[in-house]
Amino acid sequence: EAGVAQSPRYKIIEKRQSVAFWCNPISGHATLYWYQQILGQGPKLLIQFQNNGVVDDSQLPKDRFSAERLKGVDSTLKIQPAKLEDSAVYLCASSLGIEITGELFFGEGSRLTVL
Amino acid sequence: AQKVTQAQTEISVVEKEDVTLDCVYETRDTTYYLFWYKQPPSGELVFLIRRNSFDEQNEISGRYSWNFQKSTSSFNFTITASQVVDSAVYFCALSRIQGAQKLVFGQGTRLTINP
Repeated sequence: EAGVAQSPRYKIIEKRQSVAFWCNPISGHATLYWYQQILGQGPKLLIQFQNNGVVDDSQLPKDRFSAERLKGVDSTLKIQPAKLEDSAVYLCASSLGIEITGELFFGEGSRLTVL
Repeated sequence: AQKVTQAQTEISVVEKEDVTLDCVYETRDTTYYLFWYKQPPSGELVFLIRRNSFDEQNEISGRYSWNFQKSTSSFNFTITASQVVDSAVYFCALSRIQGAQKLVFGQGTRLTINP
């Protein structure tokens, strides 16, 4: 079974530029999550989708971050304009349902460096 | 608010030693889930265990064991006879059972097993 796919793995941009990350969850998983992991810290939830609807985006900086999940499958996370403090690994995860009763399956992440 | 604290930033031991990773949590909920995840150098987080706050029984899985003590709000993880492949960053996490469910992670403990 294929895991959660993310791209690109690495991205370096200058501040005020824009960037987009893509995630393809495990087939059949209804729930998709984007986490931000700053170096030396634990992951922090940015946004959670169930199918193509947003369940929780309370910690998403909406002035610069946006995310969508078209057709309830793939998802894109965009940052525009980027700030230095956005340097982090962006992890995508998926789970079968919305309830946290089972495990989340994580991708390898997209590492963003903002100069 | 929910909070998870992993006071040990880094631990280094020699192979075959036993090692315990500490996790202390804070929550106002009477029911909740606790998790441990492993993050190897490749970057993806790997689910290890989920515990329900109803159940304080300790659990053993091979060389891994978990000690859940509700009285001290701790959920510690012990690796017996450590191996080099156990080297990774380990995260403890907390989730509500009712209402909005999302994983709140600790800062992580980087474990290095030296041959």
